[in-house]
Amino acid sequence: NAGVMQNPRHLVRRRGQEARLRCSPMKGHSHVYWYRQLPEEGLKFMVYLQKENIIDESGMPKERFSAEFPKEGPSILRIQQVVRGDSAAYFCASSPSGGGLGNTEAFFGQGTRLTVV
Amino acid sequence: QKEVEQDPGPLSVPEGAIVSLNCTYSNSAFQYFMWYRQYSRKGPELLMYTYSSGNKEDGRFTAQVDKSSKYISLFIRDSQPSDSATYLCAMSGRGSYIPTFGRGTSLIVHP
Repeated sequence: NAGVMQNPRHLVRRRGQEARLRCSPMKGHSHVYWYRQLPEEGLKFMVYLQKENIIDESGMPKERFSAEFPKEGPSILRIQQVVRGDSAAYFCASSPSGGGLGNTEAFFGQGTRLTVV
Repeated sequence: QKEVEQDPGPLSVPEGAIVSLNCTYSNSAFQYFMWYRQYSRKGPELLMYTYSSGNKEDGRFTAQVDKSSKYISLFIRDSQPSDSATYLCAMSGRGSYIPTFGRGTSLIVHP
């Protein structure tokens, strides 16, 4: 049973390019959460999605960032026109049921490390 | 004041020591408390999960929650070099399913 799969593990983009980060949840999990981790900081919540629905995007910047979790395929976090400040590790987690990470066990992927040059 | 405060360390201890990791919080609505372990350049791994106040033990790990003091702890007995990692506390409240994370404490267990 494969865990949460994220790819690519490392991504380098020039300023102004687009970054697309993928997350395949664990088998049987239909809830996905994206977090950003900056050096010297903890995990910051970005967005919570179920299949074909955004449940909570309160942590996601209003500009340039978007996320989706289609009926088929992985969840995608998309960052348009990247800037140096977007450089960070982006983690996704998945859980089998609703209620979020707070009251159900969730599993994290290995993360995608985005570097903007 | 941040909602969740956690000393970043590093905390360096000799092998076999008892380790105490702590977080304080300000939101009295928090009811679910978690500890994650994160090795360098890896994703966080859920270690312990507790609801409300009290203790929970799992092998060498014990999680303690004191809601009256808004203080949670993770104890590691007989610490091993393989326990060297960053430990993140996280917590959430009823109806608020998105946990807030502390910034993590870096633990180094030296042989």
